[in-house]
Amino acid sequence: DVKVTQSSRYLVKRTGEKVFLECVQDMDHENMFWYRQDPGLGLRLIYFSYDVKMKEKGDIPEGYSVSREKKERFSLILESASTNQTSMYLCASTGLTVLAAFFGQGTRLTVV
Amino acid sequence: DAKTTQPTSMDCAEGRAANLPCNHSTISGNEYVYWYRQIHSQGPQYIIHGLKNNETNEMASLIITEDRKSSTLILPHATLRDTAVYYCIVRVVGGNNRKLIWGLGTSLAVNP
Repeated sequence: DVKVTQSSRYLVKRTGEKVFLECVQDMDHENMFWYRQDPGLGLRLIYFSYDVKMKEKGDIPEGYSVSREKKERFSLILESASTNQTSMYLCASTGLTVLAAFFGQGTRLTVV
Repeated sequence: DAKTTQPTSMDCAEGRAANLPCNHSTISGNEYVYWYRQIHSQGPQYIIHGLKNNETNEMASLIITEDRKSSTLILPHATLRDTAVYYCIVRVVGGNNRKLIWGLGTSLAVNP
């Protein structure tokens, strides 16, 4: 069974903390994505990566950075967490020839 | 990517067919239609995709109109576990376009 695994389902962090969200996929997919999902706003793309060490900004990259040192792992970093970054974060991956995107279970982050 | 329009919400009786419409009137010839669903507090799950022909798999059927401007996802015998938000997306496969543009989807409630 194909898998995208996010390191935490629930996370509570304090304002100003540096936060790492990890995502690992076991499908040898080239493309990996980080989205956030908020009520009434749907899924919004933060960053994506199409190869190791390659990244592109999505629609809402401000306040976030990413790291892809290995093909299977894509990390989302909140340099200094703020309360407006409280959200559900979803990681996804796709291959060059795989037509469907596979998602992780999501991380519900609360910044207090 | 072309945009899609879906009803905000729908109801269906358990055991009956659920027919979820999607309008994609600006779809291009090389864009596929994808359907995903998201059960509460989980990541989206791929259901089915198609280009021109109708498609069927173990989860659902996809009917695409001849002009490709709209499609319908059919869940033949809806169960309570099919209660979810259903997303219709169109995208070009391959090339430099790696993003999926997500709308707000249709919230399907399957009632006992």
